[in-house]
Amino acid sequence: GQQLNQSPQSMFIQEGEDVSMNCTSSSIFNTWLWYKQDPGEGPVLLIALYKAGELTSNGRLTAQFGITRKDSFLNISASIPSDVGIYFCAGPWETSGSRLTFGEGTQLTVNP
Amino acid sequence: DAGITQSPRYKITETGRQVTLMCHQTWSHSYMFWYRQDLGHGLRLIYYSAAADITDKGEVPDGYVVSRSKTENFPLTLESATRSQTSVYFCASTRRGAGYEQYFGPGTRLTVT
Repeated sequence: GQQLNQSPQSMFIQEGEDVSMNCTSSSIFNTWLWYKQDPGEGPVLLIALYKAGELTSNGRLTAQFGITRKDSFLNISASIPSDVGIYFCAGPWETSGSRLTFGEGTQLTVNP
Repeated sequence: DAGITQSPRYKITETGRQVTLMCHQTWSHSYMFWYRQDLGHGLRLIYYSAAADITDKGEVPDGYVVSRSKTENFPLTLESATRSQTSVYFCASTRRGAGYEQYFGPGTRLTVT
């Protein structure tokens, strides 16, 4: 499977601040997904990207599919305490099939 | 709409015992997946299934067995549990033609003593 490098590993921010995180792969991807995991729960799909250069928003979240097709970015604007959790990027395990490979996650802590 | 459920949510078992984790989805999704989540390793694929009676290995299949006799169920069995299998297990599913958008269950926290 592909290798995904996600950074930063953790972030500690104040409520109201903007957040940026990114994910890079060793190979070209045709899809990027971003998930959020709340403590004690399963990951929830936030945004799916299918085209290089694509910029997609979901409320205060914005994700971009990098032009090189080897990276993706997730931004959170005006963070609030409920943004706390682990954010994962994911991409196709291989060129066909439905398997995903996941980054190791960014742990976000928001201080009120 | 129940979506995807897992049972039990928490399980403690002893080394050497057999344990089965259940996964049930109400969407009639073709694909189902089992992952384990450990600190420092993120989510790793154990097994997956493209349809009933079709299963295949993922990244870390050793020590696990799966079956899928019905589309909606995908049980994961640890035939002889080991301490290294202490982890949080997630089931996920996606429908055929939906790209790679997988939807996850709430997880089962398994402790092997």
